[in-house]
Amino acid sequence: DAGVTQSPTHLIKTRGQQVTLRCSPKSGHDTVSWYQQALGQGPQFIFQYYEEEERQRGNFPDRFSGHQFPNYSSELNVNALLLGDSALYLCASSTGQGAILYAFFGQGTRLTVV
Amino acid sequence: QKEVEQDPGPLSVPEGAIVSLNCTYSNSAFQYFMWYRQYSRKGPELLMYTYSSGNKEDGRFTAQVDKSSKYISLFIRDSQPSDSATYLCAMSGYGGATNKLIFGTGTLLAVQP
Repeated sequence: DAGVTQSPTHLIKTRGQQVTLRCSPKSGHDTVSWYQQALGQGPQFIFQYYEEEERQRGNFPDRFSGHQFPNYSSELNVNALLLGDSALYLCASSTGQGAILYAFFGQGTRLTVV
Repeated sequence: QKEVEQDPGPLSVPEGAIVSLNCTYSNSAFQYFMWYRQYSRKGPELLMYTYSSGNKEDGRFTAQVDKSSKYISLFIRDSQPSDSATYLCAMSGYGGATNKLIFGTGTLLAVQP
């Protein structure tokens, strides 16, 4: 079992650009949540996708958007990048009928905005 | 005021020491309390969870929750260099799949051989 996989592992973008991050959930999981972890901080919830729809959203601007595909994989898109968007972006997968307690995290994508 | 407060450390202890990690919180709706371990350049992995108040033990790890004080702790006995990592507390209003996790800032622990 490959667990939760995220791509790319690192990337550098210029302020004002757009970026897409990808996540493949653990086998058998159908729910994907995205978190932003700034340096020295704990992860902050961005949003969650289930059945290809955004089910819950944290306190993030509309520049942050996402998508879930029929195979349960997910994308996180960030438009008009700011320097403050530099962070580790984590994807967590779980089952729609299961508990958040069983969420598995990927290794993250390290985004640097210059 | 943040919903979850955690001392960022760093905390440095000698091998074999007992480590105490703590978090306080303000939201009385939290029912599930979790501890995650995060190694450098890795995603968080769940160590332990506790529902409501009480203690839970798993090997060298003990989690305690005191809802009356809004205070949770993780104790690590006989600490090992391999325990060196960032420890994150996390909380949730309920354990359902739809609920988000609220994390503390994490405490960086270094266990010296």
